[in-house]
Amino acid sequence: AQSVAQPEDQVNVAEGNPLTVKCTYSVSGNPYLFWYVQYPNRGLQFLLKYITGDNLVKGSYGFEAEFNKSQTSFHLKKPSALVSDSALYFCAVRERNAGNMLTFGGGTRLMVKP
Amino acid sequence: DAGVIQSPRHEVTEMGQEVTLRCKPISGHDYLFWYRQTMMRGLELLIYFNNNVPIDDSGMPEDRFSAKMPNASFSTLKIQPSEPRDSAVYFCASGEDGNYGYTFGSGTRLTVV
Repeated sequence: AQSVAQPEDQVNVAEGNPLTVKCTYSVSGNPYLFWYVQYPNRGLQFLLKYITGDNLVKGSYGFEAEFNKSQTSFHLKKPSALVSDSALYFCAVRERNAGNMLTFGGGTRLMVKP
Repeated sequence: DAGVIQSPRHEVTEMGQEVTLRCKPISGHDYLFWYRQTMMRGLELLIYFNNNVPIDDSGMPEDRFSAKMPNASFSTLKIQPSEPRDSAVYFCASGEDGNYGYTFGSGTRLTVV
């Protein structure tokens, strides 16, 4: 079975500072990994994904994530946070050759203060 | 492309009434997913379809919930009878084989009073 853990319910960061939202996963085989963002009263929007290749993945709005196989992590990062980045962030995993079903983490609320 | 379209955006109904939520996936996507989001339980997968066929409905909470996909461009999630604990935001998402992520609709906020 596949699972995702987002250990922090909320992350607070000052505008202009770097941010990290943590994600660890568990799958039997090799993973596909994703980050989604949800703004208030909206559906989830795709941010970035790791499928294969370079462990550092760059996505929308200046976000990036690093796949670390040994630590089974896929933390989301941004060098300089914006107030407009404040939202709910979801990490998701899908095991290769295991259908098209994503398993989502519980979400982390990012609060960026001016 | 208009994306995944859900209707209605908001639904308020009385306990015991039937509720039908609707979803139009992105054309060409062969997977469709129904999720429920609450503060307490987060994002839960209810059911998903592949090529209009239900593949996994293990997340459907109980027999009061049913979902259909009569064709590739339309799906419904029905709750009958509705209960206050069904109050949540219901999301539909679609995806295509060979691609790796989903596209979500804007959701239906259901309130059962």
